[in-house]
Amino acid sequence: DQQVKQNSPSLSVQEGRISILNCDYTNSMFDYFLWYKKYPAEGPTFLISISSIKDKNEDGRFTVFLNKSAKHLSLHIVPSQPGDSAVYFCAAEVRGNKLVFGAGTILRVKS
Amino acid sequence: GEEVAQTPKHLVRGEGQKAKLYCAPIKGHSYVFWYQQVLKNEFKFLISFQNENVFDETGMPKERFSAKCLPNSPCSLEIQATKLEDSAVYFCASSQSNSRKEQYFGPGTRLTVT
Repeated sequence: DQQVKQNSPSLSVQEGRISILNCDYTNSMFDYFLWYKKYPAEGPTFLISISSIKDKNEDGRFTVFLNKSAKHLSLHIVPSQPGDSAVYFCAAEVRGNKLVFGAGTILRVKS
Repeated sequence: GEEVAQTPKHLVRGEGQKAKLYCAPIKGHSYVFWYQQVLKNEFKFLISFQNENVFDETGMPKERFSAKCLPNSPCSLEIQATKLEDSAVYFCASSQSNSRKEQYFGPGTRLTVT
């Protein structure tokens, strides 16, 4: 069963505009959420995280929002840059620290 | 080191042969994780360690897969009698502690079983 879902396989955005990547989860026991960025032939790079007791966390151009009642989180990138083009993974932490990943969203930022 | 190191980068094995992958976590990190990426994007958790102790092995195929993290040595993931379906990229990740939950990933080892 897919506990973490990223329903948009891809997203295309113009440079300078906002990119919004979405993620839904089903397990109420998740208590920590993370976003990773991945380039081809590289490992995932940690971007930003949020604890389940918060609803927003911001780091530079990246902001993550968490809506616990809707079991939904989103990653906002503003302004988007061509170098942001990559696959973005949402992940949730289960007890014992293992991560459950979504299927990823390919972001293309057009210049 | 400051990054998670994984060796080798690529590994090719004939079906039935053994494969051994290595991971050096970031210095000072207590937790090590192994994930398998089979299809283009799907990550599957295999096993985690807290220092040299197995923390969670619920994802490990028990029959052919084994892993170790011994003091003063890289961690290892070994697959005995590889099968075609074991072809994947294997990622190692490490995290500092139970309270610092961010996991930092290595570049992966691509295993191809022919």
